[in-house]
Amino acid sequence: KQEVTQIPAALSVPEGENLVLNCSFTDSAIYNLQWFRQDPGKGLTSLLLIQSSQREQTSGRLNASLDKSSGRSTLYIAASQPGDSATYLCAVREGRTGNQFYFGTGTSLTVIP
Amino acid sequence: DGGITQSPKYLFRKEGQNVTLSCEQNLNHDAMYWYRQDPGQGLRLIYYSQIVNDFQKGDIAEGYSVSREKKESFPLTVTSAQKNPTAFYLCASRQGAGTDTQYFGPGTRLTVL
Repeated sequence: KQEVTQIPAALSVPEGENLVLNCSFTDSAIYNLQWFRQDPGKGLTSLLLIQSSQREQTSGRLNASLDKSSGRSTLYIAASQPGDSATYLCAVREGRTGNQFYFGTGTSLTVIP
Repeated sequence: DGGITQSPKYLFRKEGQNVTLSCEQNLNHDAMYWYRQDPGQGLRLIYYSQIVNDFQKGDIAEGYSVSREKKESFPLTVTSAQKNPTAFYLCASRQGAGTDTQYFGPGTRLTVL
């Protein structure tokens, strides 16, 4: 069964810093990997989706990379802002049937003004 | 406005009662999902449905039931057989094509008194 791990569990940075969030998965047979943002008590908002054949995706200050063979993905946030404070989750869509998604436990990010 | 709605936002249940959580989408998506989120844990899949009148168990289906009589609706019933139902429940949908993203509703917080 696919297992997804995110490190660190929590991160606190001063405003303006660049930062990297990590996601690792145990089974490299995936369709895609998705990064989400979750604010307290809310649903998930999709940030970036990387197909299994892609190496990276960019949206504004966010850049996500994927190394499928090593089972790793990173989310890079440039010039962090207090509004970036949230929990960030990664999820992989398993590649054998494509029917299920496996989520990490998330990284709780706090950007200090 | 297109999107996914979940109701109610907060739900309280007495032990031994069944309750039904609503999930509706107007995105014309084929696939729908129910997840459970507990503090400090990632999302865990309860049930999913790829098409109308068909659904499959996820990793933690025991004590839950679903129906998919209409494309836009995927209600989840938490039965008295679920021993620890207090959690945050999230519904999601996906278009159904091969490389698409999941969209999430705002969630329902269920508390058993």
